[in-house]
Amino acid sequence: GENVEQHPSTLSVQEGDSAVIKCTYSDSASNYFPWYKQELGKRPQLIIDIRSNVGEKKDQRIAVTLNKTAKHFSLHITETQPEDSAVYFCAAPWGNTPLVFGKGTRLSVIA
Amino acid sequence: KAGVTQTPRYLIKTRGQQVTLSCSPISGHRSVSWYQQTPGQGLQFLFEYFSETQRNKGNFPGRFSGRQFSNSRSEMNVSTLELGDSALYLCASRLLAENNEQFFGPGTRLTVL
Repeated sequence: GENVEQHPSTLSVQEGDSAVIKCTYSDSASNYFPWYKQELGKRPQLIIDIRSNVGEKKDQRIAVTLNKTAKHFSLHITETQPEDSAVYFCAAPWGNTPLVFGKGTRLSVIA
Repeated sequence: KAGVTQTPRYLIKTRGQQVTLSCSPISGHRSVSWYQQTPGQGLQFLFEYFSETQRNKGNFPGRFSGRQFSNSRSEMNVSTLELGDSALYLCASRLLAENNEQFFGPGTRLTVL
């Protein structure tokens, strides 16, 4: 089945620095790659996604890159702020399974 | 447009009991998926319903079941509860089965004592 691996599991950065989280997937047929942010006690929120026909997508301080050949995609957060502190999940579909999730990255932005 | 809602938000049960959780998708969304979230296993797919039919099922025992009604609302049931069933149960809706974007509800926190 689809295996989505996510690294690192924890990440601490100084406010204003950039954060990068990487994921790899195994199913070459996967064509949709979302990122979710989950704050403590809250629901996962879709923050950005990318489809396999593009290599990069940006939304203000957040960007996602996709390398289909290597089967990996990354989340980039620039100019981090304390409110970026949360757990971030990558995911990919597999067959009829809507999404298979990575294990998550706990990001801490230190003021 | 109202988001995905789930009831109840918190539930405490004892081993051996059964529980039913409810999910109302975003208006117009026809697909509802259920996920179990635990600290050790992360987010794991339980099953998806589309047009009242189970479309796919994850690797969970038969004690976990679900259904979907004609108004797209969905319920999941866990019978013969075990301590390991303690988790946050999240449902997510999407417009169609072919539409990838999923939106999550706030979850039901189930504690099994």
